Amino acid sequence: AQSVSQHNHHVILSEAASLELGCNYSYGGTVNLFWYVQYPGQHLQLLLKYFSGDPLVKGIKGFEAEFIKSKFSFNLRKPSVQWSDTAEYFCAGGSTSGTYKYIFGTGTRLKVLA
Amino acid sequence: NAGVMQNPRHLVRRRGQEARLRCSPMKGHSHVYWYRQLPEEGLKFMVYLQKENIIDESGMPKERFSAEFPKEGPSILRIQQVVRGDSAAYFCASSRPGTVGNTIYFGEGSWLTVV
Repeated sequence: AQSVSQHNHHVILSEAASLELGCNYSYGGTVNLFWYVQYPGQHLQLLLKYFSGDPLVKGIKGFEAEFIKSKFSFNLRKPSVQWSDTAEYFCAGGSTSGTYKYIFGTGTRLKVLA
Repeated sequence: NAGVMQNPRHLVRRRGQEARLRCSPMKGHSHVYWYRQLPEEGLKFMVYLQKENIIDESGMPKERFSAEFPKEGPSILRIQQVVRGDSAAYFCASSRPGTVGNTIYFGEGSWLTVV
C-alpha cells in the first residue's frame, strides 16, 4: 500500500541549529515528492518538490531535501533554523499517474527557541 | 494574483445541522481537490472535481458528505447532519488542467467545529 511516514512528530531546536526532518515513502512506481509548511492558522505552502532529475532539491526559505531512492527517503534539511521557521511540516507523495491524490505524512511540529 | 480562496475560515455548527464550505480555485485552475485534516493527523484526500464533474470521490465518507463544482461559482463541500467527529480543518486545493505532475495549491482552510 502507498504510504508516507514522518517519524518525528515534535522537534524543538534553538536558533542557528541544523534541522533534518525525516520522510519515508512507500510507492509502487515512480513517485513525486513534496514538502509543505503550515504556519499557525495559515494554509499549506509548498517548500519544494521532486519530480525527477537532481535528487538534491532546493526550495524556498533556505530549505532543501534529498531524494534517496535506495532508502525510500526524502528528508528535509536546513543548515541554520530561525525562530520564524516554527511551523508544522508535511511530507507528501503522489504517483506520477495521479498526483492529485497526494498522501500526506502526519506532520512534524517544529518549535524554534529564540 | 489571488490564491485559492476558502470561506468561511471558521464555522461552528450544532450536531445535526448542515455545514457548507466554499472554495474558489486560483485563476486559470479548473481542477479542485478537497482534503480533510483531523486533529493530530495528516491531510487525507477526499474528492477531486473538475467543472460539473466528480472525477474521484474515493476519499469521501459514504454518507452525509457531498461535493460539487458547478459551471459557475465556487466548489462546495456539503456536510449534512454534522457530528462531533466531523470537526476538522477542510482544505481545498486547485491546479491547472493538463500536465500530469502539476503542483496543487492549497487554500487557507476552513475550520469546522461541531458542538
